[in-house]
Amino acid sequence: AQSVTQLDSHVSVSEGTPVLLRCNYSSSYSPSLFWYVQHPNKGLQLLLKYTSAATLVKGINGFEAEFKKSETSFHLTKPSAHMSDAAEYFCVVSDRWGSGGGADGLTFGKGTHLIIQP
Amino acid sequence: NAGVTQTPKFQVLKTGQSMTLQCAQDMNHEYMSWYRQDPGMGLRLIHYSVGAGITDQGEVPNGYNVSRSTTEDFPLRLLSAAPSQTSVYFCASRESGGVYEQYFGPGTRLTVT
Repeated sequence: AQSVTQLDSHVSVSEGTPVLLRCNYSSSYSPSLFWYVQHPNKGLQLLLKYTSAATLVKGINGFEAEFKKSETSFHLTKPSAHMSDAAEYFCVVSDRWGSGGGADGLTFGKGTHLIIQP
Repeated sequence: NAGVTQTPKFQVLKTGQSMTLQCAQDMNHEYMSWYRQDPGMGLRLIHYSVGAGITDQGEVPNGYNVSRSTTEDFPLRLLSAAPSQTSVYFCASRESGGVYEQYFGPGTRLTVT
């Protein structure tokens, strides 16, 4: 079985300061991990994904995440927040073969709402 | 490519009414799915399909029906709407046979009164 926990339901940072959104996972197999972003009244868009290649993954809009097997974590970071980063962020885990977890092989975290203060 | 499209964007139904949410993709993806999103609960899988003619239930299938007659289309039917089905519904598609990025539609915001 697999699961994913987003440790913060809300994160508030000032514009220009670093962003850290935390995600811990559990998986019986070698997992693949994703971060998605959802802007207000929009669908989900892929930010980045880890699929057993480099453990430091770079995504769009300056975001990156590091896969740490020993800590079972996949935290999302950005060096400097921008107002346009205000959105909901979802961490998603899938086992290597796209099975297990949810019926479609994916398990979604409950989301972290990122607030950017001017 | 239009990607994944959904219609309508907004819908208000009365309890007991039925309706169909439309979803289409033009990426020739075998795999399509429907999720509902409720505050504080993330996305929950309703139904999914691994190809034309093949569908299966997800985590919260009750009250919903699906069919997949073509690769492109995957409509979601609400048989008899209930207030508990007030939610935002997302359709998604991806390649099958491995771990691939999911592409999401823009969503349908449904209110049942």
